[in-house]
Amino acid sequence: ETGVTQTPRHLVMGMTNKKSLKCEQHLGHNAMYWYKQSAKKPLELMFVYNFKEQTENNSVPSRFSPECPNSSHLFLHLHTLQPEDSALYLCASSQRGENSNQPQHFGDGTRLSIL
Amino acid sequence: DQQVKQNSPSLSVQEGRISILNCDYTNSMFDYFLWYKKYPAEGPTFLISISSIKDKNEDGRFTVFLNKSAKHLSLHIVPSQPGDSAVYFCAASDGSARQLTFGSGTQLTVLP
Repeated sequence: ETGVTQTPRHLVMGMTNKKSLKCEQHLGHNAMYWYKQSAKKPLELMFVYNFKEQTENNSVPSRFSPECPNSSHLFLHLHTLQPEDSALYLCASSQRGENSNQPQHFGDGTRLSIL
Repeated sequence: DQQVKQNSPSLSVQEGRISILNCDYTNSMFDYFLWYKKYPAEGPTFLISISSIKDKNEDGRFTVFLNKSAKHLSLHIVPSQPGDSAVYFCAASDGSARQLTFGSGTQLTVLP
């Protein structure tokens, strides 16, 4: 497999459920990201992991809990979500260097619907 | 307040003609700019980028122009093809944080 793979592609869950989104990158990158894309809105950065360490948390509610066990895998654990959390969740990876700019590469996303 | 703006939500162009997609930004600390293309049910795909030390970068049919004084960048696609029909996002990052800030996207439709 190549690129960035996200599972599941679609998820429907109730507000009291607990589920996890999974992301795996096969590009040898050292940074991984979670984004949220709601309808008609720009992509919003949620979390950044650099060398497995969380470096950014953009004021994301605690009902979203990220986990990065190694530089190739990233999870987003979901618990007691709200209807407004229904969105497309995108994972991305990149090679971060001190003095270099490299593009982020995205997976195809998980379409999440909260009932 | 959005730091990266794509003011045209949609654009239609005839096949073979030039497509010009525009993007404005407000943060003068941005020094790296990217364009992504997104098809339905797929993630954004990186298309082309430009560093603030340049004013033009070309890759095949795609050229990105950067006007730093106007805080404006544009993507030119020539000739446009029906397969180019997609949503195009511009994004920008500053040198320290290296986080991307995205625009809201422009739906390009290339008519055969």
